[in-house]
Amino acid sequence: QKEVEQNSGPLSVPEGAIASLNCTYSDRGSQSFFWYRQYSGKSPELIMSIYSNGDKEDGRFTAQLNKASQYVSLLIRDSQPSDSATYLCAVTRFVDDYKLSFGAGTTVTVRA
Amino acid sequence: GAVVSQHPSRVICKSGTSVKIECRSLDFQATTMFWYRQFPKKSLMLMATSNEGSKATYEQGVEKDKFLINHASLTLSTLTVTSAHPEDSSFYICSARALQAHQPQHFGDGTRLSIL
Repeated sequence: QKEVEQNSGPLSVPEGAIASLNCTYSDRGSQSFFWYRQYSGKSPELIMSIYSNGDKEDGRFTAQLNKASQYVSLLIRDSQPSDSATYLCAVTRFVDDYKLSFGAGTTVTVRA
Repeated sequence: GAVVSQHPSRVICKSGTSVKIECRSLDFQATTMFWYRQFPKKSLMLMATSNEGSKATYEQGVEKDKFLINHASLTLSTLTVTSAHPEDSSFYICSARALQAHQPQHFGDGTRLSIL
């Protein structure tokens, strides 16, 4: 079983719609959860971080964490063509020197 | 805030050359820095974890004599690819995080290395 699993996609949404990305993780000791965006040929960029159960909103992005279900999600509201990228879910534990365990990524395409 | 600068962004050099890549945290103290390698359309592969003032911890299968890592200060880590060969051509990315719990890794812009 992979440590972090994401819907591989690709996920195609029309401009203005909500893109919903899901991620599950296997290690109950995971403590910090992150969503990174990576454009083709570029390095990852931090979009959201979440540590406590519930929702966290930042602009058009909302991250949701449910530790009991070992589930973290990212919602992108009012999707724009510039949101087209690969979204990486990542989790860390302090005992692992805070190494990131990445999901395989979900490729999102926003259709104009 | 949380800016990580990586230099150079692109290197093209002949086989046998050693190449040094710098990673700097510009506005925070990076107690831990990480070095990744990424092939086209593949996931990031962690090469090593570097704590300031300590020897780097390499992932299984990564040659420590080939990829020399130095983390001499809280704002600078370097990766030297020694005697580079065409198979070392790749996209190398560093990241840095501060000491406090729950701090994310912030990534540099990456270095595209091409060995001829």
